[in-house]
Amino acid sequence: EAQVTQNPRYLITVTGKKLTVTCSQNMNHEYMSWYRQDPGLGLRQIYYSMNVEVTDKGDVPEGYKVSRKEKRNFPLILESPSPNQTSLYFCASHPAGADTQYFGPGTRLTVL
Amino acid sequence: KQEVTQIPAALSVPEGENLVLNCSFTDSAIYNLQWFRQDPGKGLTSLLLIQSSQREQTSGRLNASLDKSSGRSTLYIAASQPGDSATYLCAALTGANSKLTFGKGITLSVRP
Repeated sequence: EAQVTQNPRYLITVTGKKLTVTCSQNMNHEYMSWYRQDPGLGLRQIYYSMNVEVTDKGDVPEGYKVSRKEKRNFPLILESPSPNQTSLYFCASHPAGADTQYFGPGTRLTVL
Repeated sequence: KQEVTQIPAALSVPEGENLVLNCSFTDSAIYNLQWFRQDPGKGLTSLLLIQSSQREQTSGRLNASLDKSSGRSTLYIAASQPGDSATYLCAALTGANSKLTFGKGITLSVRP
């Protein structure tokens, strides 16, 4: 089954404790992105990647890192999480060209 | 900078009604326009995608139209059902970073 998976689905952590949210897709898509969704602000892009080893900032990259060492994986790293990073995070992928974006199920992160 | 607007933020209709959800965008240089459905606490499900060269797409009871020149898209839902209750998001794909710019969504409630 074609899908985007994220882990963990739910995470509660404390300020400053490094964490990684994994994202994996099995559709051989070139493009992958991370978004965060906040009440009243909607979905905003954090980082995106056009292919292996090619990443760039989206609209709200502060406090986040990403890497793309393999085509299928695009982890989101929070080196020192803060409470303002409490949010619902989505990973997405799509093939080259303007095509349907597929979203993962989301990761609900709470930073205390 | 692309901005996507969806008004109203919420809508309640009786079952069986045909309805139209509106979406407007400020930058007409889009690659495509995508409509998503999001159930509470869940991920995003792609409903319809309209390429920039297309005028409309249909899937079952759903029909989406696109007018790039006026910066508008509509999602038509025929014979609404309680199961259609969800938040509907439109998103415009622009730029080299394949960024989806989302509207804030319309929360639809279909009353039995």
